[in-house]
Amino acid sequence: AQSVTQPDIHITVSEGASLELRCNYSYGATPYLFWYVQSPGQGLQLLLKYFSGDTLVQGIKGFEAEFKRSQSSFNLRKPSVHWSDAAEYFCAVGDSWGKLQFGAGTQVVVTP
Amino acid sequence: SQTIHQWPATLVQPVGSPLSLECTVEGTSNPNLYWYRQAAGRGLQLLFYSIGIDQISSEVPQNLSASRPQDRQFILSSKKLLLSDSGFYLCAWSETDPLIQYFGAGTRLSVL
Repeated sequence: AQSVTQPDIHITVSEGASLELRCNYSYGATPYLFWYVQSPGQGLQLLLKYFSGDTLVQGIKGFEAEFKRSQSSFNLRKPSVHWSDAAEYFCAVGDSWGKLQFGAGTQVVVTP
Repeated sequence: SQTIHQWPATLVQPVGSPLSLECTVEGTSNPNLYWYRQAAGRGLQLLFYSIGIDQISSEVPQNLSASRPQDRQFILSSKKLLLSDSGFYLCAWSETDPLIQYFGAGTRLSVL
C-alpha cells in the first residue's frame, strides 16, 4: 500500500527566504507524485506533478520539486517566498487507478 | 471552462442528525467524482469515488454514504452523524486521466 509522510507539520519562513518542504513516500511501483496547495477557505490547487522523465519538475507560482528515487523523496522548493505563499501544502502519491494518498500536510507561515 | 461547486461552506450539526453535502461540476460530462475527508492534523482520505451515475465505490468503512443521481452531481450523506464525522470534506473531479483531480472549496463540518 502506498503512503506519504510529511515530516514537518509547521514551518515559519521569512519573506524573501528560500523554502523547502519535505515529502517521503512508500510505493512498490514507479510513483506518480504531486504537490498541492490549500489556501485558507479554498480547495486544493495542483502545484506540480511527476509522472516520469526529468526528475526536477517545475510548477506554478515559482515552485519546483525533485524526485529522488534512492531516497523515496519528492521535496518541494521555492527560492524566494512571498507572503501569498502562506498556506498548507500537501504531498500526494497516486497509483495507476487514479487513487491519491495524501500526506498530513505542512502549514507554512510567512513572516515580514 | 469547468467549475466545481460545493455547499455549504460550513455546517454545524448535532450528533445524531442527518447530513447531506452536495457537489456539482459544470462544463464537463461523465466526470469521475470523488469525496475526500480531512480530519484535524491528518491528510486527505478518499472516502468514495464514482465513475458514472449510480456507480459508487467506497474506500473505507464508515458512517457515511454517497450517491450520484445525475452525471455531474455527487452527494455525501449520513442518517445519523457521529462526533468522529467532524472534518473538512472535499469533492473533486477528473476527466480522462484520473490522476489529475480538481478540487472544490470544501465543506467544514462540525458535529457537536
